[in-house]
Amino acid sequence: QKEVEQNSGPLSVPEGAIASLNCTYSDRGSQSFFWYRQYSGKSPELIMSIYSNGDKEDGRFTAQLNKASQYVSLLIRDSQPSDSATYLCAVNPSGAGSYQLTFGKGTKLSVIP
Amino acid sequence: IAGITQAPTSQILAAGRRMTLRCTQDMRHNAMYWYRQDLGLGLRLIHYSNTAGTTGKGEVPDGYSVSRANTDDFPLTLASAVPSQTSVYFCASSDSMGDPIYGYTFGSGTRLTVV
Repeated sequence: QKEVEQNSGPLSVPEGAIASLNCTYSDRGSQSFFWYRQYSGKSPELIMSIYSNGDKEDGRFTAQLNKASQYVSLLIRDSQPSDSATYLCAVNPSGAGSYQLTFGKGTKLSVIP
Repeated sequence: IAGITQAPTSQILAAGRRMTLRCTQDMRHNAMYWYRQDLGLGLRLIHYSNTAGTTGKGEVPDGYSVSRANTDDFPLTLASAVPSQTSVYFCASSDSMGDPIYGYTFGSGTRLTVV
């Protein structure tokens, strides 16, 4: 079973702080990694994708990938109350069928005003 | 429409009844998926289709069937609903013609309660 692990949280951070969300995966051959944001009662929304080791920045979001450690993270700078949501890590495992994603159970983030 | 449309939005269904959840996309994505989301279990893949005319089983396929007659439509059928199929069902699609793959676009979901 190819697994994606996340701390369920809740993770509480004050407004303006950096929120750090972490994810580990079991399949060393995984090539594509994604972060989704899901507001309560809504569908997941893609916010970041990363394919190579290192950092990828998009506005207040930075995704970090370390394939050797099988670790991917999401940093949210200047956190806002509107960032309060569940964040899902998703991985494309090798050999799973070209396009499938395996999702972690999500980390609930709460940004306190 | 733009994106993925799922219907119905919600449904209460008597156990033993047959039901089809509808999913239509207008993005011409080749791959489509059905996931169920349950509290504490996350998103789990039910069935997928990499291209029109082909389907495959995911992690939790029992009790469900799918078809992919064309690019746009990917209905999910529960032949005889049971209470354990109470869940939120998400349809998703992706335009993945190579490696690496791109992320999914999700529909708004169907909340199904089997009583």
